[in-house]
Amino acid sequence: DAKTTQPTSMDCAEGRAANLPCNHSTISGNEYVYWYRQIHSQGPQYIIHGLKNNETNEMASLIITEDRKSSTLILPHATLRDTAVYYCIVRDSYSGAGSYQLTFGKGTKLSVIP
Amino acid sequence: NAGVTQTPKFRILKIGQSMTLQCTQDMNHNYMYWYRQDPGMGLKLIYYSVGAGITDKGEVPNGYNVSRSTTEDFPLRLELAAPSQTSVYFCASSYSPWEQFFGPGTRLTVL
Repeated sequence: DAKTTQPTSMDCAEGRAANLPCNHSTISGNEYVYWYRQIHSQGPQYIIHGLKNNETNEMASLIITEDRKSSTLILPHATLRDTAVYYCIVRDSYSGAGSYQLTFGKGTKLSVIP
Repeated sequence: NAGVTQTPKFRILKIGQSMTLQCTQDMNHNYMYWYRQDPGMGLKLIYYSVGAGITDKGEVPNGYNVSRSTTEDFPLRLELAAPSQTSVYFCASSYSPWEQFFGPGTRLTVL
């Protein structure tokens, strides 16, 4: 799986959009980008994933650059409950045995400020 | 649906003791996983299962054992607890590769 690089921490004002970047310059053509988050002391929570096209769901939007070397997770109207560590994970969905493993790095600690 | 449930929530063990961390899911997922998370660190995969009767090692399997006799249950066994196993343990399950559902975690301290 390709390596990802994320900023260690970010702040965002409540009600504003939170834009969390992720670099994955070695991503290969069949690797997806996944985003999870972990609110303090809880288990991780799936947010969104994508391959090439931008994706949107009820929680967030995922913007992937045309060369797929980086992506941005957007929380359109951040609330205090969005304060969490956000993980960007790149992986091949179908690589045989063990293909469903997720490798979590250190992520970005997002602090939403009142 | 209860989702993924884990018991106990907290446990303190003495060095050399054994215990089983329980994990149950009611979503009929074939895939189940055990992760550990050390303070300030990301999650590391201990073991996973792709279906009843099938398990395999993850990144950090030493000191642990698992079994998967049913689709719903995936217990994690610690045979000889060591201080290095002090961690938060998360169980997860999934149907598709994109969305793993995690339990609330078990906080284990080995003294």
